[in-house]
Amino acid sequence: QQQVKQSPQSLIVQKGGISIINCAYENTAFDYFPWYQQFPGKGPALLIAIRPDVSEKKEGRFTISFNKSAKQFSLHIMDSQPGDSATYFCAACNSGGSNYKLTFGKGTLLTVNP
Amino acid sequence: DAGVTQSPTHLIKTRGQHVTLRCSPISGHKSVSWYQQVLGQGPQFIFQYYEKEERGRGNFPDRFSARQFPNYSSELNVNALLLGDSALYLCASSLSRVRGTDTQYFGPGTRLTVL
Repeated sequence: QQQVKQSPQSLIVQKGGISIINCAYENTAFDYFPWYQQFPGKGPALLIAIRPDVSEKKEGRFTISFNKSAKQFSLHIMDSQPGDSATYFCAACNSGGSNYKLTFGKGTLLTVNP
Repeated sequence: DAGVTQSPTHLIKTRGQHVTLRCSPISGHKSVSWYQQVLGQGPQFIFQYYEKEERGRGNFPDRFSARQFPNYSSELNVNALLLGDSALYLCASSLSRVRGTDTQYFGPGTRLTVL
């Protein structure tokens, strides 16, 4: 059972455009939602994270929108740049659980054309 | 400061063999987690260790085992390798397990190929 569903699988945007990646979760115990960016040959790196007590968090060009009732959250990349081309993973965690495993989505391959 | 380091970078084994992967966490980090990332998929949780004790185990067979040493480094062992074990194995370290929101920092991974 896939607990975090991510879409789209791949995304192509033009430089300067907005990239939007969506995720939905099932486990209501999840209370921490990070987004990771992964370049080829590298491990995932934390981009931005949110807790469900806020509906939006912005850091630079990256914004997370969170809808607790719908159990959905999304990543918006404003003014997308070719250097943003990477695979993006949403994840979820139950921070009050016995371990803090991250449950990842399947990833979105973002390509930003110059 | 050095990030999470993993060794080896790449590894080729044949079916039935055993493999040991190593991870050194960021200095001061006491928690280490292991993830398996199959090509085209998101990382899957295998183990978490904190203060040398197993704190969590994912849905992996008993062929997978791990341990954490007094210096907080960790080893992941996989016995009786199967073709399906071919993947990128990621190690992540975090400061503690007191707060689940502590950032997990990932290493570059070990690419395991089973022939």
